[in-house]
Amino acid sequence: KAGVTQTPRYLIKTRGQQVTLSCSPISGHRSVSWYQQTPGQGLQFLFEYFSETQRNKGNFPGRFSGRQFSNSRSEMNVSTLELGDSALYLCASSLGDRDTGELFFGEGSRLTVL
Amino acid sequence: AQSVTQLGSHVSVSEGALVLLRCNYSSSVPPYLFWYVQYPNQGLQLLLKYTSAATLVKGINGFEAEFKKSETSFHLTKPSAHMSDAAEYFCAVNIGGSNYKLTFGKGTLLTVNP
Repeated sequence: KAGVTQTPRYLIKTRGQQVTLSCSPISGHRSVSWYQQTPGQGLQFLFEYFSETQRNKGNFPGRFSGRQFSNSRSEMNVSTLELGDSALYLCASSLGDRDTGELFFGEGSRLTVL
Repeated sequence: AQSVTQLGSHVSVSEGALVLLRCNYSSSVPPYLFWYVQYPNQGLQLLLKYTSAATLVKGINGFEAEFKKSETSFHLTKPSAHMSDAAEYFCAVNIGGSNYKLTFGKGTLLTVNP
């Protein structure tokens, strides 16, 4: 069974640009979560989607947004990029139906903002 | 609110020595607890999980962890370290139910010396 797939793996942007990251969950998983990982702040929760609805949201500014499609694939978008947005963005999927919350992670998209 | 504290951002052991990575949690309800491992330039891989069954949990690669409610701890151990264990380890908590967000500790970088 294929794992969580994230694209692109690496990307470089400049300040003020926007970026869209994509995530394909494990087949049958209906929940997709996004996390930002930085050396200073560690792993921080961005948001979680289930059946195309955002169920949980972390403490990030409105420049960070996401969506989920009917096939459970998800995208996250960051607008007006800042230097501090440089990070590894991790997507994780799970069954999402009041389970234990075990997450299966992709390899991440590493964003560098210049 | 739930939180996780990992004691020691960096642990160094010799090959063959005991590995002990410490994790304490705070949760107002019985939690689900997880240990994840991250190798360089990769996503997070689940090592083991506690979901209110047995308090001693065995995971992959010879790791195990014991849930101690009285100490609010979930320390990760391995009897004999191997060079391939060198990685960053994250403890995480989820209170389950309708909460689909994992709260992660800051991580512990494990170095294994030959």
